[in-house]
Amino acid sequence: KQEVTQIPAALSVPEGENLVLNCSFTDSAIYNLQWFRQDPGKGLTSLLLIQSSQREQTSGRLNASLDKSSGRSTLYIAASQPGDSATYLCAVRPSLSKLSFGAGTTVTVRA
Amino acid sequence: EAGVAQSPRYKIIEKRQSVAFWCNPISGHATLYWYQQILGQGPKLLIQFQNNGVVDDSQLPKDRFSAERLKGVDSTLKIQPAKLEDSAVYLCASSLKGLPNTEAFFGQGTRLTVV
Repeated sequence: KQEVTQIPAALSVPEGENLVLNCSFTDSAIYNLQWFRQDPGKGLTSLLLIQSSQREQTSGRLNASLDKSSGRSTLYIAASQPGDSATYLCAVRPSLSKLSFGAGTTVTVRA
Repeated sequence: EAGVAQSPRYKIIEKRQSVAFWCNPISGHATLYWYQQILGQGPKLLIQFQNNGVVDDSQLPKDRFSAERLKGVDSTLKIQPAKLEDSAVYLCASSLKGLPNTEAFFGQGTRLTVV
């Protein structure tokens, strides 16, 4: 059974600092990995999708890396802003039928 | 492009009552998912449809939960009777054809409180 772990569970940083969010998974046999953002009381917004054959994906200030063999992904957010405050979830697709999610990292960026 | 639509946004019911949630996926998306997200946890898949057929319902508590997607477009999820532990956000998502290398897009969710 695929287990997805996100550490830390919560993170508070001053504005301007770079954010590093970690995701680990137990089974390296995945199709892809997806990072989501969730604002309080809202649904999930897809940030980045990394295919199993890729090492990283970039979108603006966001960069996500994938090391499938070691079961790890890292989401980097450069020059954080208060608007980046949210919960960030990673999810792996171990089969056609599902996404397996971590519990998320709740980020607070202090102005 | 319109996103995944869900209704209602919020629902409060007493235990043992029934409740239904509705989801309309992105146009053209053949695959539809229902997830349950309990506070402080990541979403957990309840059921996945490919068009109007069920692909995976292994984690759906079938004694009280049911879901249908009769015409392969919109879907309803029902709970009858509800228990206190069903309090959660119910998220609907869709993706194109269910291919593994495509993104899943989520709706805003329905927050259910069972009292």
